[in-house]
Amino acid sequence: AQSVTQLGSHVSVSEGALVLLRCNYSSSVPPYLFWYVQYPNQGLQLLLKYTTGATLVKGINGFEAEFKKSETSFHLTKPSAHMSDAAEYFCAVSGTGGFKTIFGAGTRLFVKA
Amino acid sequence: ETGVTQTPRHLVMGMTNKKSLKCEQHLGHNAMYWYKQSAKKPLELMFVYSLEERVENNSVPSRFSPECPNSSHLFLHLHTLQPEDSALYLCASSQSWDRGRLNTGELFFGEGSRLTVL
Repeated sequence: AQSVTQLGSHVSVSEGALVLLRCNYSSSVPPYLFWYVQYPNQGLQLLLKYTTGATLVKGINGFEAEFKKSETSFHLTKPSAHMSDAAEYFCAVSGTGGFKTIFGAGTRLFVKA
Repeated sequence: ETGVTQTPRHLVMGMTNKKSLKCEQHLGHNAMYWYKQSAKKPLELMFVYSLEERVENNSVPSRFSPECPNSSHLFLHLHTLQPEDSALYLCASSQSWDRGRLNTGELFFGEGSRLTVL
């Protein structure tokens, strides 16, 4: 069975500050891990993904995430927040050989001027 | 057109109406999904079709009826819905796991159909 926990339903940062969105997962098989972003009135868009290989993955819009197996974490970071980063962010996990992608409950990011 | 297109974007219906949501993907994928997104709840997987066969049906009430006539089109037929069915319904597509090559399961989403049941 797989599950995803996102710590904090809302995160607020100032423009230019570090963004850190936390995600922990559980999986009985080697996981594939994803971060998706959803802007208002839109569907989800892939930010980045981890499948195999390098544990630090870079995505679009300056975001990156690090897979830490020992901590079962996949936290999302961005060094400097921009107003356009305000959106809802979803962490997700899937395993090989199946169609089920399990999503976390989402974290809404607010960016203050 | 490119990507995943959903119509209509907004739908208001009474509990006795019959309506359908449509999804079309232009990505050459052969797996398609319906997800339900309700306020303050995680995305719920409803149905998955791979190679036009239903492979997942997550205990969804029978008032929701999916149809996948080909690998590019997916429908969700709605009948005698309840107010608690009001939500954003998201369609997604991906490469099927059956292609015999490594598949990361990355999903490509449409913009959603916002359903309000009165």
